[in-house]
Amino acid sequence: GDSVTQMEGPVTLSEEAFLTINCTYTATGYPSLFWYVQYPGEGLQLLLKATKADDKGSNKGFEATYRKETTSFHLEKGSVQVSDSAVYFCALTIRNTPLVFGKGTRLSVIA
Amino acid sequence: DSGVTQTPKHLITATGQRVTLRCSPRSGDLSVYWYQQSLDQGLQFLIQYYNGEERAKGNILERFSAQQFPDLHSELNLSSLELGDSALYFCASSTLSGGKDTQYFGPGTRLTVL
Repeated sequence: GDSVTQMEGPVTLSEEAFLTINCTYTATGYPSLFWYVQYPGEGLQLLLKATKADDKGSNKGFEATYRKETTSFHLEKGSVQVSDSAVYFCALTIRNTPLVFGKGTRLSVIA
Repeated sequence: DSGVTQTPKHLITATGQRVTLRCSPRSGDLSVYWYQQSLDQGLQFLIQYYNGEERAKGNILERFSAQQFPDLHSELNLSSLELGDSALYFCASSTLSGGKDTQYFGPGTRLTVL
């Protein structure tokens, strides 16, 4: 079945460091890809999305590019802040199926 | 604020009991999804309703059931609760029935079974 694999955490970075969280997927069709973020004690918020190959989603300084050739959707940010500390989930949906999530990556940013 | 509301925020109950979780979707959204988040299983899809009808079923136990009402709010009923049912339960809504449409999540209900 469809699946999402993302890098294991936790990831600990100093403020202003560069962030990459890897995400790869397996899908029987042509998925839409998402990154969701879960701040401590809160629900899931949509961070960004891409619906076709080579699309770049971006929001709040985060970016991810839909790479069909490598079946990847890696999340990047040039300079992280303490307020970015959260759990990040990569997810896909294809046709009329509900979201399939990766296991989540916990990011801790220290000042 | 996603526009999706869930009540209650926290629920503490005992094994063997039954609880009902409530979700109100964003205005105009016809689809409601329920997900369970636990430490060992991660985020798992339970069930989806679209305009009052069940549309998809995931890893939902027989002890669990759900429905979507004419005003489009949804309820998830959990019965004969076990310790392992302790988890965060999220509701999400979208305009269309799955596909490429974005799902917006509520704040979740944290269920603790003692």
